[in-house]
Amino acid sequence: DAKTTQPPSMDCAEGRAANLPCNHSTISGNEYVYWYRQIHSQGPQYIIHGLKNNETNEMASLIITEDRKSSTLILPHATLRDTAVYYCIAPSGAGSYQLTFGKGTKLSVIP
Amino acid sequence: GAVVSQHPSWVICKSGTSVKIECRSLDFQATTMFWYRQFPKQSLMLMATSNEGSKATYEQGVEKDKFLINHASLTLSTLTVTSAHPEDSSFYICSAGGSSGRQETQYFGPGTRLLVL
Repeated sequence: DAKTTQPPSMDCAEGRAANLPCNHSTISGNEYVYWYRQIHSQGPQYIIHGLKNNETNEMASLIITEDRKSSTLILPHATLRDTAVYYCIAPSGAGSYQLTFGKGTKLSVIP
Repeated sequence: GAVVSQHPSWVICKSGTSVKIECRSLDFQATTMFWYRQFPKQSLMLMATSNEGSKATYEQGVEKDKFLINHASLTLSTLTVTSAHPEDSSFYICSAGGSSGRQETQYFGPGTRLLVL
């Protein structure tokens, strides 16, 4: 997997947008960027993934820079239930299943 | 869609006994399933990858004779912790590979917490 770097922790006020950055400067052309989150004592939850274009779904938006060396996950209106550890992962190879979890970013949404 | 279940959600057992954990993909067929382990305050560590109808591939340092994996169908994989010891106490999580748009994606189960006394 391409190495990803994320800040260890972030705070966000409830109702505001949470912007979680991820650096993946060694990513290769066919490696997707995946985002998962893990709420305490639960299994990871898939959020979104993308290759080149920005992506949006019902949970979040993913902004990928043009050079693909970094991306930002945006939760548009953070709620207390969004408090979790967020993982940015770039699995090796096209169609690869294997995910390597780093330490992620602990997002705390504050009332 | 893309729901993965695990059973049991938690189990307490005596040292030396064996424990079986089931992982099911409820609304899709998964040719590949994964088993992870997570110790307190640590990230998920991949233990093994299982493909339906074939032997699992274990990560380095994971004993295949201790952690038996069976993936007999496209919707069910089982992990059996044989002769469990207190150091095997952990949070075991499975995932199943499915399609999300154009790219394969892993969907995770809720996890099974194992406590070996």
